[in-house]
Amino acid sequence: AQSVAQPEDQVNVAEGNPLTVKCTYSVSGNPYLFWYVQYPNRGLQFLLKYITGDNLVKGSYGFEAEFNKSQTSFHLKKPSALVSDSALYFCAVRDSSASKIIFGSGTRLSIRP
Amino acid sequence: DSGVTQTPKHLITATGQRVTLRCSPRSGDLSVYWYQQSLDQGLQFLIQYYNGEERAKGNILERFSAQQFPDLHSELNLSSLELGDSALYFCASTSGGALENEQFFGPGTRLTVL
Repeated sequence: AQSVAQPEDQVNVAEGNPLTVKCTYSVSGNPYLFWYVQYPNRGLQFLLKYITGDNLVKGSYGFEAEFNKSQTSFHLKKPSALVSDSALYFCAVRDSSASKIIFGSGTRLSIRP
Repeated sequence: DSGVTQTPKHLITATGQRVTLRCSPRSGDLSVYWYQQSLDQGLQFLIQYYNGEERAKGNILERFSAQQFPDLHSELNLSSLELGDSALYFCASTSGGALENEQFFGPGTRLTVL
């Protein structure tokens, strides 16, 4: 069975500092991994995905994520945080052998000026 | 703007009632997904349709049903509503049924059951 975990409910970072939002997963086949962001009173927006290839994936708004197969992780990163990055971030996984997508519980990112 | 539309934006109803939520996917997208987002359950996948056919089922209750019409819009029907059904309901669409396609989410329908 596939699963995804976001171990931190909230991450607080000062503006200009690097940020990391953690995600670990469990699948039986090959993972398809996604990050989405949700701003208040809005639907989710796609940030980036890993399907195959280079382990470092670059996405929207300067975000990137690193796929680590041995640690079954797909952490979201940004070198320099902006106050406007404050939002709810979801990691999601699809197993190549399954038809469903599973979302993590979400991590609230708060960037202080 | 993702191009996915959902109506209504807000819905307030009473326990035991039945409601219908509507979703229009992005132009050209064949797949529609429905999700429920609540504070205690997070974002739960309910069901997926591809070109009118049910493709995958998640944690959808028997009181809930969905369909996708020939014009590709989709409706989610919720019946015998309970207080616990109060949540945000999102639909999302993708161009095909491929597992690696990113999804485009609508703005959601906020359902309040009193």
